[in-house]
Amino acid sequence: NFMLTQPHSVSESPGKTVTISCTRSSGSIASNYVQWYQQRPGSAPTTVIYEDNQRPSGVPDRFSGSIDSSSNSASLTISGLKTEDEADYYCQSYDSSNVVFGGGTKLTVL
Amino acid sequence: EVQLVQSGAEVKKPGESLKISCKGSGYSFTSYWIGWVRQMPGKGLEWMGIIYPGDSDTRYSPSFQGQVTISADKSISTAYLQWSSLKASDTAMYYCAREVALGEDFDYWGQGTLVTVSS
Repeated sequence: NFMLTQPHSVSESPGKTVTISCTRSSGSIASNYVQWYQQRPGSAPTTVIYEDNQRPSGVPDRFSGSIDSSSNSASLTISGLKTEDEADYYCQSYDSSNVVFGGGTKLTVL
Repeated sequence: EVQLVQSGAEVKKPGESLKISCKGSGYSFTSYWIGWVRQMPGKGLEWMGIIYPGDSDTRYSPSFQGQVTISADKSISTAYLQWSSLKASDTAMYYCAREVALGEDFDYWGQGTLVTVSS
């Protein structure tokens, strides 16, 4: 089985751009889709990116996703940060009937 | 409107059994996978397992295999997560979530069921 490693926390100012990484420990990042979820305190997670770089309807285009095979990682980029973006973000992927979540990244917008 | 509605919060003692539920509505319950995700207090998301109600195909995370049982009753569009003997370490929020296909995203989530295990 593989692991997805995310930074514990990131912080940035409103209006700026932040990127959260998600590195796969073994196997190719490109072999299975990567999803990103946002979880605000007291709420269930919601999808902000699916299939590496697709945005569900209703998610602003300030959110974008990508994968980089050279670093075997995925990234979530949020531009034009708003205070409402402050939340925990989780990447998720899949391999051999196992779903794997990253450890989560706490985004602080200050 | 797609909805997953979970059963209410539970307070149990160590050693007791428990079965929590997740009722789907607004879509064809037998055509989507339902997964279960644990979130311990202040911690991250952990995938426990998943079931396809159409044929009851069930997969478990190696970390949870043998610790819980996932089932579904398609006649009432409900999936279940059960324990035969709870431990204090099972204290957590448990979410069910719908998945279109294995390896894709969980597009709808239940509101969560808080399970507290304490003597």
